[in-house]
Amino acid sequence: SQKIEQNSEALNIQEGKTATLTCNYTNYSPAYLQWYRQDPGRGPVFLLLIRENEKEKRKERLKVTFDTTLKQSLFHITASQPADSATYLCALPPRGSNYQLIWGAGTKLIIKP
Amino acid sequence: GAGVSQTPSNKVTEKGKYVELRCDPISGHTALYWYRQSLGQGPEFLIYFQGTGAADDSGLPNDRFFAVRPEGSVSTLKIQRTERGDSAVYLCASSLLGAEAFFGQGTRLTVV
Repeated sequence: SQKIEQNSEALNIQEGKTATLTCNYTNYSPAYLQWYRQDPGRGPVFLLLIRENEKEKRKERLKVTFDTTLKQSLFHITASQPADSATYLCALPPRGSNYQLIWGAGTKLIIKP
Repeated sequence: GAGVSQTPSNKVTEKGKYVELRCDPISGHTALYWYRQSLGQGPEFLIYFQGTGAADDSGLPNDRFFAVRPEGSVSTLKIQRTERGDSAVYLCASSLLGAEAFFGQGTRLTVV
């Protein structure tokens, strides 16, 4: 079955630098992959979706890449700010589903002033 | 409504008791999802509704768990004979078909 791996260790980044988070999957390549942000005590908030035929997607300071050969997605936040501190989760659909999502455990990002 | 609303935000119950968790989706969203999230983990799919019917309940862990959405809007997740292992945050999300999902803040269930 599909497994998603995200770095379980918190990532500490200096304000103003670029933060890069990794999402690896182990089995088939999904039709798309999503990234979410989750703050403590809150539900996940959708950030970006990237499809299998897209190499890169950008939204303001966010950039996502999708490498189906490496079975990996990278999530970048440029010019990081303390307000970007949160847990970031990647999610993708299981084979044959266009509504269900399988989730990684998330990586906690801490931006230090 | 402005967003997905879940009530209660916290629920403490004794082992063996019955609980109901409520979800008010965004008005007009036909799709509704329930997920369960344990500490340090990503959400785990439980059930998906399209309109009033449960289109996929394959994530429900056993027959103690049941969910309804009788009028295609509000949904209730029901857990019978609660066990300590049921303790988690229960998340509800809604969406238009094929669009991004919007999550509520979750209900933190603690079974003591």
